[in-house]
Amino acid sequence: EVQLLESGGGLVQPGGSLRLSCAASGFTFSSYAMSWVRQAPGKGLEWVSAISGSGGSTYYADSVKGRFTISRDNSKNTLYLQMNSLRAEDTAVYYCAKVQLVQGVILGYFDYWGQGTLVTVSS
Amino acid sequence: EIVMTQSPATLSVSPGERATLSCRASQSVSSNLAWYQQKPGQAPRLLIYGASTRATGIPARFSGSGSGTEFTLTISSLQSEDFAVYYCQQYNNWPLWTFGQGTKVEIK
Repeated sequence: EVQLLESGGGLVQPGGSLRLSCAASGFTFSSYAMSWVRQAPGKGLEWVSAISGSGGSTYYADSVKGRFTISRDNSKNTLYLQMNSLRAEDTAVYYCAKVQLVQGVILGYFDYWGQGTLVTVSS
Repeated sequence: EIVMTQSPATLSVSPGERATLSCRASQSVSSNLAWYQQKPGQAPRLLIYGASTRATGIPARFSGSGSGTEFTLTISSLQSEDFAVYYCQQYNNWPLWTFGQGTKVEIK
């Protein structure tokens, strides 16, 4: 059974930093790209960042580029999101999600999601 | 960026009735479209991928159709557990994935 368990959320002041973790199990972690998706309170879903299975390729939404860094440790089956220079608008539940490959080359849909971790940016 | 627009924002349906949700893309996404269900306090759950293929364990009352820019999610006979928010998502323009704003299906 695929399981994704996020941790590391909390309350942080504007301009501060936080590192999120996502522990994965139930599948061959290194074979799949992974992603972070966030949801502001009462709002819809917003893709944040993604990383290839090897970790060699990373992708970011414009809203977080230059402030957030995605990484992974395949020996620990863990995905990370380092968030710096946090803003009030970064307040959201952050989900990690497994990315399913489509036709062997397309980073496709998100087939499994964690339960999320809440990040609140406020003074 | 491909903009995904869902309609209606809220759909009021009685249990047992059919629900039809729409999703429009600002440019063609071929069949690279997924649908997700989200209940309050829960993570999204994959329902449909490839515009029309049900994910593992998804009941047959859920069906998806469309290609290009127009897509539909149909729930043939609404059950109590189906009242939730539904999101469409394109993955044709990966890695710039984009979601629709969601359609809330509520009890009439």
